[in-house]
Amino acid sequence: DAKTTQPPSMDCAEGRAANLPCNHSTISGNEYVYWYRQIHSQGPQYIIHGLKNNETNEMASLIITEDRKSSTLILPHATLRDTAVYYCIVRGTTSGTYKYIFGTGTRLKVLA
Amino acid sequence: ETGVTQSPTHLIKTRGQQVTLRCSSQSGHNTVSWYQQALGQGPQFIFQYYREEENGRGNFPPRFSGLQFPNYSSELNVNALELDDSALYLCASSLRAGGRKETQYFGPGTRLLVL
Repeated sequence: DAKTTQPPSMDCAEGRAANLPCNHSTISGNEYVYWYRQIHSQGPQYIIHGLKNNETNEMASLIITEDRKSSTLILPHATLRDTAVYYCIVRGTTSGTYKYIFGTGTRLKVLA
Repeated sequence: ETGVTQSPTHLIKTRGQQVTLRCSSQSGHNTVSWYQQALGQGPQFIFQYYREEENGRGNFPPRFSGLQFPNYSSELNVNALELDDSALYLCASSLRAGGRKETQYFGPGTRLLVL
């Protein structure tokens, strides 16, 4: 199963873009990269996912490098409510089971 | 809101007891996964249910068991509770429809404390 590596913590000024990096150097060619966030021990919230191309939705943008060994989640205009733990996940498949392998994530603190 | 609900929200048990946690899937979803999240850690995969059968298991002992019902809701049962079982238990539902893309949506979790 592919693993991910993220910095343990980051700070970002309110209104600025937050760029959260993730390394997944052992990713397989058909494995998706997923991003979730977890606010204060609530259930993880889905943000975005991608395979090869860059993706954008109403919450964020996902930039995946051409070799797919790393990606960056971009929150374009961070607000205080974006303070959370952000998880980058490469979904592993074992005998047909699509399971998520979580790391310890990046604790993002948005500063006023 | 994801439409995934879990009950109860909090639970206190003593060591050696048994506990049942419940999860209702998001409408239209047919797959349920369970995760355990210890304090300060990321969620750890326990097992997954698809078509009422266990469809993959993480590194958890057999005293962790589950069920999925015809309406796709699910239960997680833990026997012989240990202190280390204290954690947030998360349920996630998804739609398996062929292909490799399957996004999981998480419920709010059940916080279990074992004394």
